[in-house]
Amino acid sequence: GAGVSQSPSNKVTEKGKDVELRCDPISGHTALYWYRQRLGQGLEFLIYFQGNSAPDKSGLPSDRFSAERTGESVSTLTIQRTQQEDSAVYLCASRLGQGHGYTFGSGTRLTVV
Amino acid sequence: DAKTTQPPSMDCAEGRAANLPCNHSTISGNEYVYWYRQIHSQGPQYIIHGLKNNETNEMASLIITEDRKSSTLILPHATLRDTAVYYCIVRVAYSGYALNFGKGTSLLVTP
Repeated sequence: GAGVSQSPSNKVTEKGKDVELRCDPISGHTALYWYRQRLGQGLEFLIYFQGNSAPDKSGLPSDRFSAERTGESVSTLTIQRTQQEDSAVYLCASRLGQGHGYTFGSGTRLTVV
Repeated sequence: DAKTTQPPSMDCAEGRAANLPCNHSTISGNEYVYWYRQIHSQGPQYIIHGLKNNETNEMASLIITEDRKSSTLILPHATLRDTAVYYCIVRVAYSGYALNFGKGTSLLVTP
């Protein structure tokens, strides 16, 4: 597609439930990143995928967070047993390769009640 | 990645040039300066990047000092739609590691 697409755009879930967030990167972009942005805060890096290499998971805040990506296609970020502090906008970005700029999606606003 | 310092907020009158400074005194020779912005409730948007020469594109100009310890992003004719948080990031271009976004500068363009 023309841009990075994320779904859903908004998600309200009850504390303790699992949620799955989806990111469709720009076709042909080999690198995909997930970030989290809490209200009024900067972007926190979560995880990075590059082609078929092992992902860089160094930013995942706990083992409740996981992400998958098959090849250079869709990625899903899963949060298990959600907590109120997980409430944030989750942003996905992709880029064509090293040396190119990032293109971000519009994010998924997650609210845990 | 080299650390950057930006003012937390700035104002600019519509139609005037907005000059956003960034200090990166520990920048190393192979690190580029990147600028992104985030308009409220949208994902960050790439603006421009450069190594040592000044750069210009359809969105902005980037002026990098000769010693590369600081830079300025210039929006030549700011509009209300340029109100956003602007992030200055320094990093090696050919690296897969994620960008580290700091607090940025919140630019308010006023009528």
